[in-house]
Amino acid sequence: GAVVSQHPSRVICKSGTSVKIECRSLDFQATTMFWYRQFPKQSLMLMATSNEGSKATYEQGVEKDKFLINHASLTLSTLTVTSAHPEDSSFYICSARDSPLRLAGGETQYFGPGTRLLVL
Amino acid sequence: EDQVTQSPEALRLQEGESSSLNCSYTVSGLRGLFWYRQDPGKGPEFLFTLYSAGEEKEKERLKATLTKKESFLHITAPKPEDSATYLCAVRGGGYNKLIFGAGTRLAVHP
Repeated sequence: GAVVSQHPSRVICKSGTSVKIECRSLDFQATTMFWYRQFPKQSLMLMATSNEGSKATYEQGVEKDKFLINHASLTLSTLTVTSAHPEDSSFYICSARDSPLRLAGGETQYFGPGTRLLVL
Repeated sequence: EDQVTQSPEALRLQEGESSSLNCSYTVSGLRGLFWYRQDPGKGPEFLFTLYSAGEEKEKERLKATLTKKESFLHITAPKPEDSATYLCAVRGGGYNKLIFGAGTRLAVHP
């Protein structure tokens, strides 16, 4: 159980175009989803947190108008990179958690396989 | 400020040579410590969640332990397929997100 999928696994696009990445929780309902960015040989950098049906919360320094996040259902979140430029080339990973935080402890986040974006 | 530090940064082992990875943390009100494995070009794969000091969990050749200040990931008789980056993360203080360490790159050679 606890499988998270991402599509596409890799995408190459021209500078100035927009790219949409889908993240799905396949066997559970994800009340909260997270989007990360990872540069080579570095750890994960959280970009934003989204709860189903509400606006995403972006981390400091992440442009909300450039990285549009939609969490329209309990199994689907999308990240759209608008007007992509070469500096947006990176490995984007989504993550999903299956229930809200409880007082007794934190639920586990499960990660998708990642999407490699290359902007030419 | 909540913080996670992993050591060593990189570790090279011979097949069968047991060792431990360290994750030291500073967090206000720990609400979970998580270990993940990440292979190159892939997303992190969940390994363990630990909630309180003294807790231990095992899976095949891996065993995770937790104290009030640190966690260890013990690898017993590792095989080349255990080669990966191992990430430690904590959640605390009622906030939503995980705080990740920089990871330990493990290479196991035959």
